[in-house]
Amino acid sequence: RKEVEQDPGPFNVPEGATVAFNCTYSNSASQSFFWYRQDCRKEPKLLMSVYSSGNEDGRFTAQLNRASQYISLLIRDSKLSDSATYLCVVNPGYQKVTFGIGTKLQVIP
Amino acid sequence: GAVVSQHPSRVICKSGTSVKIECRSLDFQATTMFWYRQFPKQSLMLMATSNEGSKATYEQGVEKDKFLINHASLTLSTLTVTSAHPEDSSFYICSASPPRYNEQFFGPGTRLTVL
Repeated sequence: RKEVEQDPGPFNVPEGATVAFNCTYSNSASQSFFWYRQDCRKEPKLLMSVYSSGNEDGRFTAQLNRASQYISLLIRDSKLSDSATYLCVVNPGYQKVTFGIGTKLQVIP
Repeated sequence: GAVVSQHPSRVICKSGTSVKIECRSLDFQATTMFWYRQFPKQSLMLMATSNEGSKATYEQGVEKDKFLINHASLTLSTLTVTSAHPEDSSFYICSASPPRYNEQFFGPGTRLTVL
């Protein structure tokens, strides 16, 4: 089983739609979780950290479910500019992080 | 957020030559930096952990004699791809984490093309 698993997509959604991605991780001792956004041929950029209590930043909501070992990202009112690859990142606690393959989102006019 | 720079952003070289890529933390000191490689449509793969003042730690399957890492100061790590071949063509990215941060901050990446 991969350390971090994501559905690579692509997810093609119309503007204004709500879309959700899930990511599962195998190391139950993992301590920190993040969603990064990567645009084509660019470096990943931190979108948000993920906490057990859930956190929200504008149209983006992230949730962590430790019991089931998954994290989720919800994007409301999708914009064309949200088109990117969303990377699930897990930190097992010794600074080295593990990336999922990324989920590609394409928002369509 | 913290800033990490990388140089060069793009390099094209002939097969057999060596290429050096620099990674700098601009506004913080980093005792540890990470080097990743990303092939098209694949995820970022950690190549090695660069430790200031000591030897780098390489991931399984990464040749340490081919990918030389030097972390000579708290703000600079270099990756040298020795005797590059076309299969080394990839997107190389470094990252670092400031003290007391959990998240990684990435350099803009270096796109290497070996002809």
